[in-house]
Formats: sequence, structure tokens, C-alpha cells
Amino acid sequence: DQQVKQNSPSLSVQEGRISILNCDYTNSMFDYFLWYKKYPAEGPTFLISISSIKDKNEDGRFTVFLNKSAKHLSLHIVPSQPGDSAVYFCAASQYSGGGADGLTFGKGTHLIIQP
Amino acid sequence: DTGVSQDPRHKITKRGQNVTFRCDPISEHNRLYWYRQTLGQGPEFLTYFQNEAQLEKSRLLSDRFSAERPKGSFSTLEIQRTEQGDSAMYLCASSFGGTFGGINEKLFFGSGTQLSVL
Repeated sequence: DQQVKQNSPSLSVQEGRISILNCDYTNSMFDYFLWYKKYPAEGPTFLISISSIKDKNEDGRFTVFLNKSAKHLSLHIVPSQPGDSAVYFCAASQYSGGGADGLTFGKGTHLIIQP
Repeated sequence: DTGVSQDPRHKITKRGQNVTFRCDPISEHNRLYWYRQTLGQGPEFLTYFQNEAQLEKSRLLSDRFSAERPKGSFSTLEIQRTEQGDSAMYLCASSFGGTFGGINEKLFFGSGTQLSVL
């Protein structure tokens, strides 16, 4: 049972345009969401996060939107650059849980920025 | 900032052998995590330490797997009697978090150890 779903295994976007990566979750207890970026042969690196008390968080070219009622979040990258080509993982956790089930990751979306 | 360091980067072993991986977290981080990633999947949580205490273990962590963090600094993950299904990337991550509360802070990952069991 996948609690965090990234339904697009890959996405191709032209350089300079907007990249939109989507993520859905099923566990209503999740209250903190993160995006990680991964290059080949490297570990994932943190990109941006959002708490469930917000619906938007922005950091430079990266914006994450959260729609709690739809259990959906998205990552917008504007403008897309060649260095953004990587695998992007959506992850979720329970801040208030007290336990440490760790982050629950989606399967990732491979973003390819075309010149 | 030296980041999270994992050793070795690659390990090839025969089925039935034991393997041990090492992780050195970022020095001021009190929390250390082990994740496993197989091809086409996202990282899956295995276990977590706060300082030297192992606080959580996933049901993915069979009794052939054991992790330690003896002095609250580096950690080792040992797999006994390896099976072909253990072939995966083993990722270590660290973070700095408070004593109480859930785990939501951003994690800093190492580059992983790629295990191949023949």
C-alpha cells in the first residue's frame, strides 16, 4: 500500500518553461511534506518543505503547493534550468506523531530539461 | 562541512555471506537513519537512532539485519546471511532534532552503499 504516490515516472520540459511535479498521499496523519532531488550516484538532497498549516511555500525558483482536502501537493520550478534534470522524490511524515517511522517517500519523477 | 559519509560505496558479495556498512553522520547531528532504495522505488525507512539509542525499526528490517551506533557518532549496518533480495542501495542520513516530537526535519543523505548479492 503506497501512501505517497508520484504517478508520473518521468517528465520532459523545455528549458526556461515551468516544471510541475505532482504528488498524492493517502495517509491523513501526514502533516509535513518535503521534496528531495537526486542525481545519479548521489544521495537525495533536500529541496523544499511545507507544513500542513500552510498551503504554499516558496524558495527562489521552487514553490511547493499543498491542497490538504485533495491530499495533493505539487512542486513548481520556474524557470527550469538544465541543472534541474534529476529524480525528484516527494516525502511525507507525521510531525506530531512522537514516533519515528521516518519519511515515507514516493517512487520519484525523473525530470528532464530539454535545451 | 564534510557531509554524511558512507563506506564502502560499492559491495559485491556472494549469497550467504555477511556484510557490514559504515556511516559517519554530520558531526553535530544527533539523529541517524538508515534507508534502503531499490531500482525504481523511493527510499524505504529501515531504522533510526537518536544519539546511541535505536528508537525505531521498520518491519522491513528482518532479524538478519542489525544496526548499531555505539557512541552516538558513527553507525554500522550489518546484514547476515545475505540473500539476492538484499541487493539495493543502502542510504544513511542524519539530522539534528529535539528530544521530543516526531521526525520531520530535513535529512542530509550520504551517497549510499550499493550492495550486489550474487
